[in-house]
Amino acid sequence: QKEVEQNSGPLSVPEGAIASLNCTYSDRGSQSFFWYRQYSGKSPELIMFIYSNGDKEDGRFTAQLNKASQYVSLLIRDSQPSDSATYLCAASSGGSYIPTFGRGTSLIVHP
Amino acid sequence: SQTIHQWPATLVQPVGSPLSLECTVEGTSNPNLYWYRQAAGRGLQLLFYSVGIGQISSEVPQNLSASRPQDRQFILSSKKLLLSDSGFYLCAWSLDEQYFGPGTRLTVT
Repeated sequence: QKEVEQNSGPLSVPEGAIASLNCTYSDRGSQSFFWYRQYSGKSPELIMFIYSNGDKEDGRFTAQLNKASQYVSLLIRDSQPSDSATYLCAASSGGSYIPTFGRGTSLIVHP
Repeated sequence: SQTIHQWPATLVQPVGSPLSLECTVEGTSNPNLYWYRQAAGRGLQLLFYSVGIGQISSEVPQNLSASRPQDRQFILSSKKLLLSDSGFYLCAWSLDEQYFGPGTRLTVT
C-alpha cells in the first residue's frame, strides 16, 4: 500500500516567518512529487513539483527532495496571511497515472 | 493554455435521485482524466480515472459510474444517490502533473 504521510497540523507561524511543511512517502519507486495548496471550500492548486534530489525554488516557495530518506518538504519564505490554507503533498511512481495524496497540513499565518 | 471546467458548482439533490456531473478540458489532447471525492475534513478519494476515450478504471465499487464519451469530456453519474454520496467532487486532468477543476459541492438530503 503506497502511503504519503503529513502532519495534519495546524502549523501556526507569524507573518514574515518561514513555514516548513513536511511529507514522507512509502514507495521507493516514487519519482515525481507535488505540492498543492487548497483554500477552504476551493479545489487544490498545484504550486510546486520536483523530480530530482535537492532543492527547487519558485518565488517564495522552495521544494526539497531527499529520496534516500523518502522525504519531501515545502518551505514558504516571508509567510503571509494569504498563505493560510491546507497543503497537500503527493507522490507518483514512474509510469503510474495515479498520484498518492497525503491528507494535508493546515497552515495558519497570523499577523 | 489548458483550462478545466466543471459544472454545476453546487448541487442539492434528494436521496434516490439521479446525478450527472460534467467535466471538460480545453487546450490539450488525450489527457488522463480523474474523478475524486473529498468528504468534509477528509482526504482525496480517487473514484475513477481514464487514459482514453471509453477507457474507465474504477477505484471504489459503489453506486457511481463514469463515462468518457469524448477525448476531453468526463462524466460522473449515479442512478440513485445515497446520503453518503455528499461531498466535494473534483475532476482533474494530467499529462505529467495533475491539475484540478473548480469542483462541485454535492449535498444529498
